[in-house]
Amino acid sequence: KAGVTQTPRYLIKTRGQQVTLSCSPISGHRSVSWYQQTPGQGLQFLFEYFSETQRNKGNFPGRFSGRQFSNSRSEMNVSTLELGDSALYLCASSLELGSLNYNSPLHFGNGTRLTVT
Amino acid sequence: EDKVVQSPLSLVVHEGDTVTLNCSYEVTNFRSLLWYKQEKKAPTFLFMLTSSGIEKKSGRLSSILDKKELSSILNITATQTGDSAIYLCAGAFTNAGGTSYGKLTFGQGTILTVHP
Repeated sequence: KAGVTQTPRYLIKTRGQQVTLSCSPISGHRSVSWYQQTPGQGLQFLFEYFSETQRNKGNFPGRFSGRQFSNSRSEMNVSTLELGDSALYLCASSLELGSLNYNSPLHFGNGTRLTVT
Repeated sequence: EDKVVQSPLSLVVHEGDTVTLNCSYEVTNFRSLLWYKQEKKAPTFLFMLTSSGIEKKSGRLSSILDKKELSSILNITATQTGDSAIYLCAGAFTNAGGTSYGKLTFGQGTILTVHP
């Protein structure tokens, strides 16, 4: 079974631009979450989608948005990029809403490394 | 606010040593605690703990949760160079309305380096 697939693997953008990151969950997984990882802040929750609806949102500005499609694939968008947005963006999927069921932990993709110059 | 703290932040050992990594949490409406191993990119799932006192084992790795002390430990016996990685602890919670959500609150991670 293929794992969580994220594209692209690397991105270089300049301040003020916008970017879209893509995530394909494990087949059969319906919940998709996004996390930002930086050396200073570690892994921080961005948002979670289930059945094409945002179910939970972290403490990030409105420049960060996302959506989920009917096939459970998800995209994340960051507008008006800032230098501080440089990070590894990780997508994770699980079978159901949340990671609280015993058999449904989050499984992470390899991430998209975003560099803002 | 939910908080997860790991210790130590870094650890250097030699092959064959046994290590214990610590995780404490202050997670509102705690539901479960998860351990992940991160080498290059994707954090890889290790254990998910929901019941206190029950040890989860996988080969040389084991973990146990203490709900009374709001903590968990991850043990690695007979360490190998391939165990070198960042070990992440994360807490999951249920909101006040009793709805399960997928937000994980991560600790800072413990950087484990195993020398030959």
